Amino acid sequence: KAGVTQTPRYLIKTRGQQVTLSCSPISGHRSVSWYQQTPGQGLQFLFEYFSETQRNKGNFPGRFSGRQFSNSRSEMNVSTLELGDSALYLCASSPRTGGSTIYFGEGSWLTVV
Amino acid sequence: QQQVKQSPQSLIVQKGGISIINCAYENTAFDYFPWYQQFPGKGPALLIAIRPDVSEKKEGRFTISFNKSAKQFSLHIMDSQPGDSATYFCAASASGGYQKVTFGTGTKLQVIP
Repeated sequence: KAGVTQTPRYLIKTRGQQVTLSCSPISGHRSVSWYQQTPGQGLQFLFEYFSETQRNKGNFPGRFSGRQFSNSRSEMNVSTLELGDSALYLCASSPRTGGSTIYFGEGSWLTVV
Repeated sequence: QQQVKQSPQSLIVQKGGISIINCAYENTAFDYFPWYQQFPGKGPALLIAIRPDVSEKKEGRFTISFNKSAKQFSLHIMDSQPGDSATYFCAASASGGYQKVTFGTGTKLQVIP
């Protein structure tokens, strides 16, 4: 079974721009969640989608948004990029929501300059 | 109440030694406790997980010890090898709710020959 696939792997953006990151979950997994990883803050939960509905959201500003498609693929968008948004963005999928194992992709490295 | 506290921040162990990483939580709704291993440039990978109905789980050289009354759990790596050098994250989540995994701050393990 193919793992979680994230694209792009690396990208550099300028302050004020926006970025869209893509995630394809493991086949059959309906829950997709997103995390931001930085050296200072560790792994921070962004949001979770299940059956195309956002189920939970972490403590991030409204510039961070996401969506899930009917095939469970998900995208997250960050608008008006700030230098502090530089991070590794990780997507994780699981077969169901709530208290089950999540499986991470390799992540998308975003650098904002 | 949502925090998971992890210690130590970094750990250096001699090859063949035992590596021990500790975590503590406060939210009694947590009922699933996975450990993830992350190598540089990679996403976190599930190592081993436990539910509170057992006090210990062993998989190969990796053992989770769980103390429900103290709300603490720990990872023991027996016969530590240089290939175990990575960052380890403990985590917790609650079933019956949304898929939000709360992570510890990570422990950077270095196993020296």
